[in-house]
Amino acid sequence: GESVGLHLPTLSVQEGDNSIINCAYSNSASDYFIWYKQESGKGPQFIIDIRSNMDKRQGQRVTVLLNKTVKHLSLQIAATQPGDSAVYFCADLTGTASKLTFGTGTRLQVTL
Amino acid sequence: DTEVTQTPKHLVMGMTNKKSLKCEQHMGHRAMYWYKQKAKKPPELMFVYSYEKLSINESVPSRFSPECPNSSLLNLHLHALQPEDSALYLCASSQDIPGTSGRGAYEQYFGPGTRLTVT
Repeated sequence: GESVGLHLPTLSVQEGDNSIINCAYSNSASDYFIWYKQESGKGPQFIIDIRSNMDKRQGQRVTVLLNKTVKHLSLQIAATQPGDSAVYFCADLTGTASKLTFGTGTRLQVTL
Repeated sequence: DTEVTQTPKHLVMGMTNKKSLKCEQHMGHRAMYWYKQKAKKPPELMFVYSYEKLSINESVPSRFSPECPNSSLLNLHLHALQPEDSALYLCASSQDIPGTSGRGAYEQYFGPGTRLTVT
């Protein structure tokens, strides 16, 4: 991913509402994608992953959507809770590489 | 045990000091990673070890020297650092390195990081 300066994009959501966090990737050869959650003072935590042969995958309260046509990934969080407040990163991987490339991140703020 | 531990949590060092960061996992993972993360930025890969051998060095300056004494431990030796090296240093591990195994092998478990300040 490319950084866009010192300010993270921020999404403010009211508790109980659904959140949608978006991510664009640039490498059309990417075939594996992961969403990570990073709380203040902690390392990134795996949330959910998806392979390029799928367009949707669901977990507990989270859904990842993949649109390979426009190289877009989204993370949907249902019934957002205060504990969901964190920075969310998408990361992608190509089969021929051996490293994840992280996106710039989005800060999710949950308001009561 | 799905935990990656890192010590110390915080480290302040001068530019002439030598220090080491330590990382440990007991999940039987064969791939371990060092990342550097500046404030409000995503983690940037520094090194990848696979089966205790260095497989990727992302053109990291030689003042950072990784070491993998065994399959559970990963060290990062620091020497003659610059103030711009101040950052959160994250260790991670995965069952295997991407591109070599099937689904589920790529999930990287991160430690809490070491907050490094170079004065």
